[in-house]
Amino acid sequence: DTGVSQDPRHKITKRGQNVTFRCDPISEHNRLYWYRQTLGQGPEFLTYFQNEAQLEKSRLLSDRFSAERPKGSFSTLEIQRTEQGDSAMYLCASSLALGPGRTAYEQYFGPGTRLTVT
Amino acid sequence: AQTVTQSQPEMSVQEAETVTLSCTYDTSESDYYLFWYKQPPSRQMILVIRQEAYKQQNATENRFSVNFQKAAKSFSLKISDSQLGDAAMYFCAYRSARLYDNNDMRFGAGTRLTVKP
Repeated sequence: DTGVSQDPRHKITKRGQNVTFRCDPISEHNRLYWYRQTLGQGPEFLTYFQNEAQLEKSRLLSDRFSAERPKGSFSTLEIQRTEQGDSAMYLCASSLALGPGRTAYEQYFGPGTRLTVT
Repeated sequence: AQTVTQSQPEMSVQEAETVTLSCTYDTSESDYYLFWYKQPPSRQMILVIRQEAYKQQNATENRFSVNFQKAAKSFSLKISDSQLGDAAMYFCAYRSARLYDNNDMRFGAGTRLTVKP
């Protein structure tokens, strides 16, 4: 399977606990995006990486959220001190930017991690 | 800021019939991409079709085609010969084509399509 994978697929946690999600992008893709999707809504951008550099963070990404992509391959998204409002589907997507000044085309999405905070 | 609006929360179509899903967007940019993504109940987003704003010709992919009206900022998806497997949430998405942009997607709220046998 050469698609985007995410782990775990489902996570139930109690309020106040920390959680970490993992995303493995398509291997040759240098861009990786995190989105959050709540019920009945489309995905909303959280942050993105170009290789290992985190280049932009949405205002949706509070201080409790941190993302890494240490070697420019897989990425992790950690949520500290979870709140019930964090309950959502967290989607990862990857794409290929073809060089400086070149835009990337479509993004390929993973299956998502569904987080439920009780 | 760019916004995407899908005004039809739900649509239904009879198997083998044709259905059109609507999408409008707001932007001040002249160069951008538009997409339709499908999200089946398993929740993995799948690209259905892509349109480059600089192209006047409407994109087509087998049974899927779009009606892109740049001046009206409208981007509808037509599904012909609907099949049971087409049942899903459909999201319209916008992405800037600006250089050095993060190229993140802006999504509409989605349209849930039901296909009746």
